[in-house]
Amino acid sequence: GENVEQHPSTLSVQEGDSAVIKCTYSDSASNYFPWYKQELGKRPQLIIDIRSNVGEKKDQRIAVTLNKTAKHFSLHITETQPEDSAVYFCAASTPGAQKLVFGQGTRLTINP
Amino acid sequence: GAGVSQSPSNKVTEKGKDVELRCDPISGHTALYWYRQSLGQGLEFLIYFQGNSAPDKSGLPSDRFSAERTGGSVSTLTIQRTQQEDSAVYLCASSLVSADTQYFGPGTRLTVL
Repeated sequence: GENVEQHPSTLSVQEGDSAVIKCTYSDSASNYFPWYKQELGKRPQLIIDIRSNVGEKKDQRIAVTLNKTAKHFSLHITETQPEDSAVYFCAASTPGAQKLVFGQGTRLTINP
Repeated sequence: GAGVSQSPSNKVTEKGKDVELRCDPISGHTALYWYRQSLGQGLEFLIYFQGNSAPDKSGLPSDRFSAERTGGSVSTLTIQRTQQEDSAVYLCASSLVSADTQYFGPGTRLTVL
């Protein structure tokens, strides 16, 4: 079945700098890749997603890139702010499987 | 509109007891998912319901775990003879249709003493 690896497990950046989180997946049939943000004690919230017919997607300070050949996708956050501090999870799903397979998460800390 | 809701928010039980966790999906959403999140870990898929189709139970860790979805809406996850390793946050999510964006509930924190 699908396996998703996420790196790094922790990331600390200065406010205003960029943050990049990377995920790799194993099943080449995977076609949907969402990113969730989870603040302490809160539910996961979808922040951006990408489907396999698109290479890059942007939403204000957040972007996701997808490399189907290499089977990896990345989250980019620019001009980071303290409220970006949270745990971020990537996920992947394959057609027909419906379930999301999650990475282990990245704890992002923005230092003022 | 109202999001996914779950109850109870916290549940403390003794080893060996049965527990029931409830999920109310977003109205009109046909797909419902259960995940488990252990402390500091990612989300582990448990079970998926889509309309009247047979559920995908491939993620249930043992036969002590079961779930049902009545009337295509509310779902109950039941854990029988709870063990300490069952302690985790149980998250429910729903989507309008399968393969669509999943929206999560706040979760139920289960502690087995």
